Amino acid sequence: GESVGLHLPTLSVQEGDNSIINCAYSNSASDYFIWYKQESGKGPQFIIDIRSNMDKRQGQRVTVLLNKTVKHLSLQIAATQPGDSAVYFCASSSASKIIFGSGTRLSIRP
Amino acid sequence: GAGVSQSPSNKVTEKGKDVELRCDPISGHTALYWYRQSLGQGLEFLIYFQGNSAPDKSGLPSDRFSAERTGGSVSTLTIQRTQQEDSAVYLCASSLGRTGVYNSPLHFGNGTRLTVT
Repeated sequence: GESVGLHLPTLSVQEGDNSIINCAYSNSASDYFIWYKQESGKGPQFIIDIRSNMDKRQGQRVTVLLNKTVKHLSLQIAATQPGDSAVYFCASSSASKIIFGSGTRLSIRP
Repeated sequence: GAGVSQSPSNKVTEKGKDVELRCDPISGHTALYWYRQSLGQGLEFLIYFQGNSAPDKSGLPSDRFSAERTGGSVSTLTIQRTQQEDSAVYLCASSLGRTGVYNSPLHFGNGTRLTVT
């Protein structure tokens, strides 16, 4: 069935380094992709999105890369800060049905 | 107003009882989604409402689960005869339009944590 998976369940990075969180999706008809950040006890918070007609989009300290050939997207966080500690979810959308991955927990080493 | 509001924030119920979870979406958002999140897991799609169209119920795990959206705004998720495996955080989200068509991301509430004892 349709799925969205993540390459690593946990990621630990040094404060100040760049973080890269990867995600694979299975539905080639997916045309819209979103990254969310979820802190403990809160709902997911929108970070950045990208449509399938793009391969890169940048926000403030974040960049999303999309490779439709291998059905892979990644989230890059520049100069990771302690406040970036959270679980990060990718999601893919096809015909308004949105499938979420299982999440990657990002922890920051001082 | 502010963001998506869900109530109650926590609900403890006995096995076999019915529960109702409420979601107030962002004003003007026509799309509303319910997801379930078990501890340490991802988000499991339950149901999707878009305007006056028939809801997409394809994610509801059993006929004990149902949802309504009245007046295109407030939504209620009802779980009848609750079971222990229903224990999870139930998240509601809304968006301006059909996500993917309008590039409209979901905005989530903080969820209702349901514990079935």
